[in-house]
This record gives sequence, structure tokens and C-alpha cells, in this order.
Amino acid sequence: GQQVMQIPQYQHVQEGEDFTTYCNSSTTLSNIQWYKQRPGGHPVFLIQLVKSGEVKKQKRLTFQFGEAKKNSSLHITATQTTDVGTYFCGGGSNYKLTFGKGTLLTVNP
Amino acid sequence: GAGVSQSPSNKVTEKGKDVELRCDPISGHTALYWYRQRLGQGLEFLIYFQGNSAPDKSGLPSDRFSAERTGESVSTLTIQRTQQEDSAVYLCASSKRDYNEQFFGPGTRLTVL
Repeated sequence: GQQVMQIPQYQHVQEGEDFTTYCNSSTTLSNIQWYKQRPGGHPVFLIQLVKSGEVKKQKRLTFQFGEAKKNSSLHITATQTTDVGTYFCGGGSNYKLTFGKGTLLTVNP
Repeated sequence: GAGVSQSPSNKVTEKGKDVELRCDPISGHTALYWYRQRLGQGLEFLIYFQGNSAPDKSGLPSDRFSAERTGESVSTLTIQRTQQEDSAVYLCASSKRDYNEQFFGPGTRLTVL
């Protein structure tokens, strides 16, 4: 079945440093979605990518979808303490998303 | 407007007991998902409902797990003869249609003693 791998599992940064998490699928994806889960909270939608090579930005966050639609990345520029949480990617081949295990980001102020 | 709601928020039960978890999706959302999230782990797909179509039950881990949905409204996830490995947070999500963003509920934390 479809597998989605996410690396790194954990990332600790100093406030102001950049952060990147990577998502890789064993199969071609129709779309990929990114979610953020704050400690003790539930996942909250960040963005959806559907086109090969697509790049989208949300303030300090940059999302990319690979040309082959099998990988994606989320990059945060100049992290802030409010960025703390687990970032999940979910890749879909139809209605169903297969999620990676997430990257837990901690930020030292 | 109201988001996805789930009840109870916490459930502690004894091994072997049955539990029923409830999800109220956002009004108008035809798609509904159940996920399981073990401590420190990712989101494990359990079941998917879309309108009146047959649900996709491919993620249910055993025949002790079942779920129902009434039309495009409330859904219940039932776990029979609970085991300790069933302990997890059970998350429900709904979306307007396929390929749309999923709105998650706050989850039900299930602890099986």
C-alpha cells in the first residue's frame, strides 16, 4: 500500500533559525496536504498542493510539491516560538490521505 | 460557525468493555473520516464516509471496530471488547468533498485499563 515517510522525526531550533521538513511517498500523489498540530491540540489544515512543481507561500512558510508528485517540503524561515508543534503531510491518490508520522518542531526562545 | 465536535472528550474503560465514540461533522460536509493517533505517532486512517456511498472500511484494524453514519450527519465509532492497545486519541474529520481540506475535531482520548 501507499506509504508516506516524513523526515526528520524531531527538530529543535533556536528562535530565528530556519526549519525544513520533508515528505516522501512511495507512489505518485494526486495532491498533498500539510497540517499543523500544536501540543495537546488537533491537526489544523495549512495548505493543499495539487500541481507538479507547485510552490506556495504563506508568510514565513514555503511549501513545495515535487515535479514527480512524490515528494513535498515545508520550509519555515526565521522560526518563532509560535511555530512549535508537529507538522504532518498527508498524500492522496483519491479521497484518502495517507499521513506521515510528522515532524515535531521545538523552538528555543 | 461550529466546528467538528466529538464526545466524550475522554473515556476510561476496562479491558473487555465496549465503547462508543461520537462525531458531529460540520453541517454540509459530505465526507467524514475517522483516524487513530497513538501517543507521539501519526494519523492512522480508520474509515471514510462519503454521502450515501458505501464507506471505505479498509483501515479498521480488526472486526472489533465498526462505524456508522446517518446520512451526512452524526457518526459513531464503536470498539467492542476493548484491548489495552486500543488506547489512543480517536480523531474525526470532515470535509466538503474529496480533495478538500479536512477539519478535525478535538478528539476522544480513550484509555483502556
